[in-house]
Amino acid sequence: QSALTQPASVSGSPGQSITITCTGTRSDVGGYNFVSWYQQHPGKAPKLMIYGVTNWPSGVSNRFSGSKSGNTASLTISGLQAEDEADYYCTSYTTSSTWVFGGGTKLTVL
Amino acid sequence: QVQLVESGGGVVQPGRSLRLSCTVSGFTFRSHAMHWVRQAPGKGLEWVAFISYDGSTKYSADSVKGRFTISRDNSKNTLYLQMNSLRAEDTALYYCARDMSTKYTWDSWGQGTLVTVSS
Repeated sequence: QSALTQPASVSGSPGQSITITCTGTRSDVGGYNFVSWYQQHPGKAPKLMIYGVTNWPSGVSNRFSGSKSGNTASLTISGLQAEDEADYYCTSYTTSSTWVFGGGTKLTVL
Repeated sequence: QVQLVESGGGVVQPGRSLRLSCTVSGFTFRSHAMHWVRQAPGKGLEWVAFISYDGSTKYSADSVKGRFTISRDNSKNTLYLQMNSLRAEDTALYYCARDMSTKYTWDSWGQGTLVTVSS
C-alpha cells in the first residue's frame, strides 16, 4: 500500500488561508469518505482535526475544513494563526482493510 | 478523562523480540477497537495494526505482517503488540490509538513508547 501524496511544505501569513492536498487512488481516498486529517506539533501525539472528509471533532476550530474531489482530499485552514504551525497528515481507510497515511506537510506561519 | 499509556519500549538487537503494552483508562475499553501506529524518528506516521473490540478481527500492515501480532486483554484494559524478528527499520515511536467507531479513524492517542533496534 503506497503512501498518500502530500506537499512537503506549505506556508502562509497570519490571517491568510492555505490548502493542503492529499492524493491517493480509487482504493483509498477515492473509494471511501473515510479521510481524516491530523495535526502534530513537535514532540506531541497527533491530534484529530477532521474526520469523514468534512467533519469536525468536538473542540476543533471551524477554521479547519475538509473536502474531497475524486482521489484528492484537501484540508483548508482559514485565518491562519501562529499556533497552526505544525505538521499535518492525511489518512484514509483502504479497500485492503488497512489504513494509509500521507507523507506529511510542514505548515510554516510566516 | 481518556488516557492511553504505552510501555515496553527500549533498545533491542536486530532479530530479537519485544512486547509493547498500552494500558487505558477513562473509557470502556472492551467497547472499542484499537490500533498501533508508529513514527520513525523525523519521519511520518505509519499505521501498524488493528484489533476489533473483542479481538476476533485483526489486520496489519504488509511491513510487519508475519512478524508483529496485536492482541488485547479486556479484563486488564490493556492492548499489546508482540514484535518478533525486529529490524532496524522498525525503530520508531509506537503509539496506541483508540478507534473512533464507524468513522475509520482515531480519536485518542497515547504519548508513545520508543523502540530502537540496533546492534
